[in-house]
Amino acid sequence: GQQLNQSPQSMFIQEGEDVSMNCTSSSIFNTWLWYKQDPGEGPVLLIALYKAGELTSNGRLTAQFGITRKDSFLNISASIPSDVGIYFCAGYLGAQKLVFGQGTRLTINP
Amino acid sequence: GAVVSQHPSWVICKSGTSVKIECRSLDFQATTMFWYRQFPKQSLMLMATSNEGSKATYEQGVEKDKFLINHASLTLSTLTVTSAHPEDSSFYICSARGQGAGRSYNEQFFGPGTRLTVL
Repeated sequence: GQQLNQSPQSMFIQEGEDVSMNCTSSSIFNTWLWYKQDPGEGPVLLIALYKAGELTSNGRLTAQFGITRKDSFLNISASIPSDVGIYFCAGYLGAQKLVFGQGTRLTINP
Repeated sequence: GAVVSQHPSWVICKSGTSVKIECRSLDFQATTMFWYRQFPKQSLMLMATSNEGSKATYEQGVEKDKFLINHASLTLSTLTVTSAHPEDSSFYICSARGQGAGRSYNEQFFGPGTRLTVL
């Protein structure tokens, strides 16, 4: 069953606004990965987090690995039209199995 | 990031036929490859994990005789959907990881996906 709870499920924002989404779990994860998926494409890795408390940026994207190792958030600043898509958090349950959140569908009104 | 390709990008087949999907890591050696299935507006569901030279490990509920996985080399894995039926229609995505692919071995890189439609 689903191990990661991702929220919100969807977001409708205006261009230029900041975006925040998060993932929580009842299990401890050693790695958190954030992906973006465009329609009809495979997910693209945005940010990888490895240490509790780690804060990492990739351009306008910032993600943090929660201190408890059971949660993570992703922020997007000053959103632009190409940010539209589905964002997934993912974490390793055990050494090999990557578990995905339900996804956050981002829609931007120009 | 590392590059993973998939072929074909889409395929339409008749019910009862078999379809093979290829997944290649283009710029790194993929010691582990994964196959996912994704239904519309849903998340990715792991089907199986394969390590190079070993038999694939299938997730619960995935029929290994129906979804044949071969990972014969460090850059190629194939998924064969045997005796395909309309309910097998889906978006199939492979991913791979290996030393040197990303900042850490834990980073998984995905192919562009293959849309299978079974008539």
